[in-house]
Amino acid sequence: SAVISQKPSRDICQRGTSLTIQCQVDSQVTMMFWYRQQPGQSLTLIATANQGSEATYESGFVIDKFPISRPNLTFSTLTVSNMSPEDSSIYLCSVVRGADTQYFGPGTRLTVL
Amino acid sequence: TQLLEQSPQFLSIQEGENLTVYCNSSSVFSSLQWYRQEPGEGPVLLVTVVTGGEVKKLKRLTFQFGDARKDSSLHITAAQPGDTGLYLCAYNQGGKLIFGQGTELSVKP
Repeated sequence: SAVISQKPSRDICQRGTSLTIQCQVDSQVTMMFWYRQQPGQSLTLIATANQGSEATYESGFVIDKFPISRPNLTFSTLTVSNMSPEDSSIYLCSVVRGADTQYFGPGTRLTVL
Repeated sequence: TQLLEQSPQFLSIQEGENLTVYCNSSSVFSSLQWYRQEPGEGPVLLVTVVTGGEVKKLKRLTFQFGDARKDSSLHITAAQPGDTGLYLCAYNQGGKLIFGQGTELSVKP
């Protein structure tokens, strides 16, 4: 298994500001992922965080809006930049362990006013 | 990216009832996974189905992978309030997960 923590667990922010979300894993992993879960909806992959290189973004997500850092094999950050109310979501990080088991953090619930 | 269609989107039932959730696609998958997400938490893997026609049981939950490996179902027998949550099917695409829309299940005592 994997123990994943996220900070903050929730935040309320003003539009136009930025928030950085941290994800810490209990041991080294190759790939870390960031997902967005809009209210009442499923999870959508934002990007794959690669250690030592730029993140790989999915269609509809760009680095200027969601910059990601991956300074080592146990840590990653996702920044939500220049926020608007449409960015109100739960943001989750995840890692893969074993053949194909993915473990998720508890999520960061973001509300933008 | 292949699409996973889940149905129903919402389900509200009484404790003790049975239910089935469906995950359908026009694409063939090497495997499908089912996750459950409770409020305030991330999704947790319930099962991975790999072989066409495969049936896996997890206590009162029965998972089936279609013979053609295009669809899967989750059947819950005698649902309990603790089964309440968001049920998600997903497939693995090079390590990243692509999820269906989810089924929000509410089991009332």
